Amino acid sequence: EVQLVESGGGLVEPGGSLTVSCAASGFTFSTYNMNWVRHTPGKGLEWIASISSDGTFVYYAESMKGRFTISRDNAKNSLYLQINSLRVEDTAVYYCARGFLTRGFGVWGQGTMVTVSS
Amino acid sequence: QSALTQPASVSGSPGQAITISCTGTSSDVGGYNLVSWYQVHPGKAPKLIIYDVTDRPSGVSSRFSGSKSGNTASLTISGLQAEDEADYYCNSYTSSSTLVFGGGTQLTVL
Repeated sequence: EVQLVESGGGLVEPGGSLTVSCAASGFTFSTYNMNWVRHTPGKGLEWIASISSDGTFVYYAESMKGRFTISRDNAKNSLYLQINSLRVEDTAVYYCARGFLTRGFGVWGQGTMVTVSS
Repeated sequence: QSALTQPASVSGSPGQAITISCTGTSSDVGGYNLVSWYQVHPGKAPKLIIYDVTDRPSGVSSRFSGSKSGNTASLTISGLQAEDEADYYCNSYTSSSTLVFGGGTQLTVL
């Protein structure tokens, strides 16, 4: 079964850092582009970043550049998102998703909740 | 990159058809046939229902269809069913090699 499982969310104070992870199974992870998308009640879905299958190319939403870093480890079938200088407005459910920017994201994880609060 | 514009809410009765619009610019929706639509039920992960403006992934009901005219893409749901009640989001590839989502539309089945 094709599956993505996020982890690493939690409660973080403003200004802190966090890395969320996504474990892939049931498919050849190293052949797929991967993405991070977040969901907030106020803004809805927001695309954060995308990384090519071999990790060579990365793309970020303009508003996410500088504080967010996407990376992957194909040997571990894992995708990562590091978030620095966390802000209250980063509070969201963070999803990893499989697919090309141009073809839609057909596989999603269940999401991991990140809450930024003092 | 500004978010694509969607109506905040739409509603319809069972069996009816509804259409949700998604308006962008020539740098995103109008410039590429690369619009996708997602269905999001509360507490659940998004589900891809349309990609490349008009194509449906395997397993998605034919009651869902997509189209585009100029800078506006549209999602039509025919034969509304209770389980269609959800939030719907469009997104588009952009000239900056990024992706932009719409603000989402809440569909209520009366």
